[in-house]
Amino acid sequence: SQELEQSPQSLIVQEGKNLTINCTSSKTLYGLYWYKQKYGEGLIFLMMLQKGGEEKSHEKITAKLDEKKQQSSLHITASQPSHAGIYLCGAHGDTGTASKLTFGTGTRLQVTL
Amino acid sequence: KAGVTQTPRYLIKTRGQQVTLSCSPISGHRSVSWYQQTPGQGLQFLFEYFSETQRNKGNFPGRFSGRQFSNSRSEMNVSTLELGDSALYLCASSINRGYEQYFGPGTRLTVT
Repeated sequence: SQELEQSPQSLIVQEGKNLTINCTSSKTLYGLYWYKQKYGEGLIFLMMLQKGGEEKSHEKITAKLDEKKQQSSLHITASQPSHAGIYLCGAHGDTGTASKLTFGTGTRLQVTL
Repeated sequence: KAGVTQTPRYLIKTRGQQVTLSCSPISGHRSVSWYQQTPGQGLQFLFEYFSETQRNKGNFPGRFSGRQFSNSRSEMNVSTLELGDSALYLCASSINRGYEQYFGPGTRLTVT
């Protein structure tokens, strides 16, 4: 079965600083999702990547899937308190299991003033 | 468009009881997936429904079941509740299988 490892597990950054969260898979990624979760709440969809080398951006968040499709990174530029939360990467296998997501353990981000 | 809605938001049950959770997907979305989130095990896939048929199932006992109706709304049922079933149950919908999944706010189940 596919396993996703996220690093770091937690992160405390000062407002305005940049940061990167990594997600490494034990198998080839056919689809990689990034979500944000506030404690005890639902997941907010950020981005989905499918092609090796693909990069997507939304506001100050950029995500990239490496060429070999086994690692993804999420980069936040000029962090703000609103970026605080738990970031989760999720992935699915091949076509038959495209809706069955496996998730990493999450990265808890705190942004200090 | 309204997002994914889940009812109830909070639930307290006693061991041995059964519970039914409901999920209404985003309008036009045909695929519904269910996940369980606990501090120890993280976020785990329960099952996926599409066109009223279960398409994928996670590694959970038969006490966990679900169904999908013709309007794509879905319910999941847990019978003979155990303390370990206490968790946040999340429902996600997508326009079709393999497309991005949008999550609801979850139902927090506490089993005492």
